[in-house]
Amino acid sequence: SYVLTQPPSVSVAPGQTARITCGGNNIGSKSVHWYQQKPGQAPVLVVYDDSDRPSGIPERFSGSNSGNTATLTISRVEAGDEADYYCQVWDSSSDHPGVFGGGTKLTVL
Amino acid sequence: EVQLVESGGGLVQPGGSLRLSCAASGFTVSSNYMSWVRQAPGKGLEWVSVIYSGGSTYYADSVKGRFTISRHNSKNTLYLQMNSLRAEDTAVYYCARVGGYYDSSGYYSPTWYFDLWGRGTLVTVSS
Repeated sequence: SYVLTQPPSVSVAPGQTARITCGGNNIGSKSVHWYQQKPGQAPVLVVYDDSDRPSGIPERFSGSNSGNTATLTISRVEAGDEADYYCQVWDSSSDHPGVFGGGTKLTVL
Repeated sequence: EVQLVESGGGLVQPGGSLRLSCAASGFTVSSNYMSWVRQAPGKGLEWVSVIYSGGSTYYADSVKGRFTISRHNSKNTLYLQMNSLRAEDTAVYYCARVGGYYDSSGYYSPTWYFDLWGRGTLVTVSS
C-alpha cells in the first residue's frame, strides 16, 4: 500500500515561513491534499489538488508537489496556525485507497 | 445547512459490536462518495472505509472482514457496523464526504479529498 511520510514536528517563530513536507513514491504524479486539525476539532481542508485553496483559507497557505515530495507552506505564521497538519492522497489503484500521512505538529515559538 | 452528525459511539468490550451512524443534511448521501476516518487517542488520522455512489466499498486492512460500511438512502444516513472489536479500534470515528460534482452530462467526478467532516464519535473498546 502507498505510504506518506511526514516529519513529526516543525517549529517556527511568528512571522516566519513554515514548510511541512510529505514524502511518497512518485507523489508528484498524484494529487495531494492537506488538512489542519486543532485539538478537539475535526480536520479542516486547507489545500487541495497540490496547491489550490478552499474558500475562506488565507492566501498564506500554499502547496507544491514534485518528484517524491509535496510541501505545505505557511507564510507569515501566526499563533493561530499552531495545529497538526496531515497530507492525504487517494490511491485509486489500491483496494484500500484512502491514505493519510502520519501528521506534523506545527509549533509556533 | 450542510452537515454531518455522527452518533452511536460508546464503551464496548473486546469482541463486541457497535454500529455508528452519520446523519447528513443539506446533501444526498447516496449521490456522493462517503468515508469513515478514525483517530486513536493522541495519534494521527487513519482512513477506515469508503462507499462509492454506485455502491462499491473498500476497507483498510486493519478493519477488513470486521467492519461494514453501508447507507440508508431514505434516511440519508451512513453507517459503520463494527464487529469483533479490539482495543486498538479505540478512536474517535469521523464521517467524511469525498468531494465531487456532476457535470452537465450527469457524469460524477470525485475530487478525492474530504470536503466535509462530522465532529466525530468516540468508540472505546475496553473490559
